Amino acid sequence: EIVLTQSPGTLSLSPGERATLSCRASQSVSSSYLVWYQQKPGQAPRLLIHGASSRATGIPDRFSGSGSGTDFTLTISRLEPEDFAVYYCQQCGGAPTFGGGTNVEIK
Amino acid sequence: EVQLLESGGDLVQPGGSLRLSCAASGFTFDNYVMGWVRQAPGKGLEWVSGISASGGSTYYVDSVKGRFTISRDNSKNTLYLQTSSLRAEDTAVFYCVKGAVRWQEIYYFDYWGQGTLVTVSS
Repeated sequence: EIVLTQSPGTLSLSPGERATLSCRASQSVSSSYLVWYQQKPGQAPRLLIHGASSRATGIPDRFSGSGSGTDFTLTISRLEPEDFAVYYCQQCGGAPTFGGGTNVEIK
Repeated sequence: EVQLLESGGDLVQPGGSLRLSCAASGFTFDNYVMGWVRQAPGKGLEWVSGISASGGSTYYVDSVKGRFTISRDNSKNTLYLQTSSLRAEDTAVFYCVKGAVRWQEIYYFDYWGQGTLVTVSS
């Protein structure tokens, strides 16, 4: 099983600031199989990024993904009020697994 | 518009069973893998099970193997999860999810239902 470790667990930032979220895999993951989701309280998750760096339909360009191998990053260039949420990475190169999530909260 | 509507969640005693259903619409159901992802209260996401577009291949997380069975009826555009021998640790919101890539067995998900709550408690 590929274990995904997300850091930090909580990120406290102000609107307009840059957010950098990390996802580290216990073994190499093809970039094609690394995705990111956003989840707001009381809602189902929403697909943000697939293929490590491709934005899903309708996702604003302030969201970007990067990385390869075992280290992947989600960056939100300038936080909007609606971006405060929990973010999960997921790999689907083998049996799908999710990271534990990063909570981006308002400072 | 893609819609995934789950049903079947309930309060059940340990050792009990439930059948979850997911009615899908707005896309060609038999072109996509489907699956179930759960989220325990206040916790993160856990993939539970997946099924190929034809239904010929099924996959499970180790913790539910032998207890849960995923299936689909492509004539009814419906996905199922039969659960049995339920444990307290199975308590979660169960989301029905649609595979993002047509015709390919790649298990990431572009649409999620709103979830159905399964509570296992005496």
